[in-house]
Amino acid sequence: TQLLEQSPQFLSIQEGENLTVYCNSSSVFSSLQWYRQEPGEGPVLLVTVVTGGEVKKLKRLTFQFGDARKDSSLHITAAQPGDTGLYLCAGQDSGGYQKVTFGIGTKLQVIP
Amino acid sequence: EAQVTQNPRYLITVTGKKLTVTCSQNMNHEYMSWYRQDPGLGLRQIYYSMNVEVTDKGDVPEGYKVSRKEKRNFPLILESPSPNQTSLYFCASTQGEGGYSTDTQYFGPGTRLTVL
Repeated sequence: TQLLEQSPQFLSIQEGENLTVYCNSSSVFSSLQWYRQEPGEGPVLLVTVVTGGEVKKLKRLTFQFGDARKDSSLHITAAQPGDTGLYLCAGQDSGGYQKVTFGIGTKLQVIP
Repeated sequence: EAQVTQNPRYLITVTGKKLTVTCSQNMNHEYMSWYRQDPGLGLRQIYYSMNVEVTDKGDVPEGYKVSRKEKRNFPLILESPSPNQTSLYFCASTQGEGGYSTDTQYFGPGTRLTVL
């Protein structure tokens, strides 16, 4: 079983601050996805990264896939209260098909 | 509207009483998965299905069964539920084209199961 370590697990910051969430593994993934989950709802996909070193931006969110495809980071610039939620990274098994491993998640609270 | 539906959303049952959680998607997706989400453990994959009549175990399949007789439906069956199966369950579907898929995985709203 591949493992994804996500850090930090909890983060409480003031509106306007920047933050970075990390997702690390000793295994190689064919792709890595970041999700956001609100209480009482299922996770919603934010981005998929596939190529080592790839950087994707989604408004104030910047996602990076490590060169070796074993780690990823999510950086939020000037966090807003609307960014509050649980952020999950998920790696797809390099063996193919749909075997997916999720990190524990980072619970982010942005205080107005 | 593209969606994944699960029923029931909430269920309280007793140990040993067989139950089924239904999952249906209207996007004609090939791939479907079941996950359970527990505090401190995150989302763990129970079973997944690559297409009709094709299913395989995820990381935590013990105590669960699935079937995929139709493309749109992927029910999760607990033949003899136990308290350690109390959890929040999510069904998900992805288009995919076989092999590696980077397509969007759509999650259902979740089913909160309590086994007494």
